Amino acid sequence: DAGVIQSPRHEVTEMGQEVTLRCKPISGHNSLFWYRQTMMRGLELLIYFNNNVPIDDSGMPEDRFSAKMPNASFSTLKIQPSEPRDSAVYFCASSLEHPGGQYFGPGTRLTVT
Amino acid sequence: SQKIEQNSEALNIQEGKTATLTCNYTNYSPAYLQWYRQDPGRGPVFLLLIRENEKEKRKERLKVTFDTTLKQSLFHITASQPADSATYLCATRARMDSSYKLIFGSGTRLLVRP
Repeated sequence: DAGVIQSPRHEVTEMGQEVTLRCKPISGHNSLFWYRQTMMRGLELLIYFNNNVPIDDSGMPEDRFSAKMPNASFSTLKIQPSEPRDSAVYFCASSLEHPGGQYFGPGTRLTVT
Repeated sequence: SQKIEQNSEALNIQEGKTATLTCNYTNYSPAYLQWYRQDPGRGPVFLLLIRENEKEKRKERLKVTFDTTLKQSLFHITASQPADSATYLCATRARMDSSYKLIFGSGTRLLVRP
């Protein structure tokens, strides 16, 4: 069974550009999470969805960040406009039950110059 | 909200020894704690979950304990191997009213020397 799939794996963009990160959760999982990881702040939850509905977006840094989950098998995290301080590794994770383990994708390493 | 503290210093041990990592929480009893392993360039991998009414949980060479008096969880790897070298993260729910939202510790790096 495939794990969580994320694309792209690496993204380098210039400040001011729009960035879209994509995630396909594990089939059958009903919760999806977007995290950001940096050396300074560690692993931070940005937003999570349950049954495709956003439940808590209090971790989204500001209005430049938005996330959608149009169906059970796809989610996007968009940054517009991007800034150098957005440079980080962005992880998507999914889970089936609570409390249960979360299953992480390989991450997208974003560099904004 | 909850806070989690893990030793930021790397743990360096000899192959075959038992590695013990510590996770302390600062506020309310979190109902459960989770442990993850993260290798460089990869996403965290879920290892174990222990509930607050469980004193101990085991999975192969892994053992996790939960002490609500000390507000602490210990993570043990017995008969450690160089392949166990990684960063280990603990996590728990961020707020009492939400079991979905996790907060993670900063992780402890384990290095097992052959």
